[in-house]
Amino acid sequence: AQKVTQAQTEISVVEKEDVTLDCVYETRDTTYYLFWYKQPPSGELVFLIRRNSFDEQNEISGRYSWNFQKSTSSFNFTITASQVVDSAVYFCALTNFGNEKLTFGTGTRLTIIP
Amino acid sequence: DTAVSQTPKYLVTQMGNDKSIKCEQNLGHDTMYWYKQDSKKFLKIMFSYNNKELIINETVPNRFSPKSPDKAHLNLHINSLELGDSAVYFCASSQVRTDPIASGTRRETQYFGPGTRLLVL
Repeated sequence: AQKVTQAQTEISVVEKEDVTLDCVYETRDTTYYLFWYKQPPSGELVFLIRRNSFDEQNEISGRYSWNFQKSTSSFNFTITASQVVDSAVYFCALTNFGNEKLTFGTGTRLTIIP
Repeated sequence: DTAVSQTPKYLVTQMGNDKSIKCEQNLGHDTMYWYKQDSKKFLKIMFSYNNKELIINETVPNRFSPKSPDKAHLNLHINSLELGDSAVYFCASSQVRTDPIASGTRRETQYFGPGTRLLVL
């Protein structure tokens, strides 16, 4: 069975601070995908990034960066110089390569205080 | 232009009624999904369809019946609505790719519709 744990239920930071959202996963599959999705207050689910289990390279996209470490089964997400628009619930998710279904973590509600 | 669309966006109804939610994707994807997000924001798969064929039914009550008339549409019909059905329902789709290196097929990123907020009174 697959499991995704996001231990941080809620985080609040002051604007312009950096913040890291943690994600720890469990799977017996040797090939899998990891994802981060953003759910802003408007409610839609926005895809942010996908990593596959073959590729442990960290990734940076503007103010966003992701740290994937297979040794600790973690896929953490850092926002640098946070902005109010980053306020949202962030979900980490896991699937095997067949991707018949995503297993989601419980989400981390991030509030950026102006 | 919308990639994955759902109708209606909001649905308020009485217990015991029957209702449907429609989903359409114009991405040319082969696989479509229904997820339920409860009041605590927990997201859980309900159904997956690949080219109109059911591939996942995640112990959902029989009152929920998905229907896929073609690979671009996946509708969700709910009979005898109960209070506990109140939730946000998300449709999603993904593309299937053949992977000669890893062998077999893989499905790529799931893209979600805007959600349908169902409230049962």
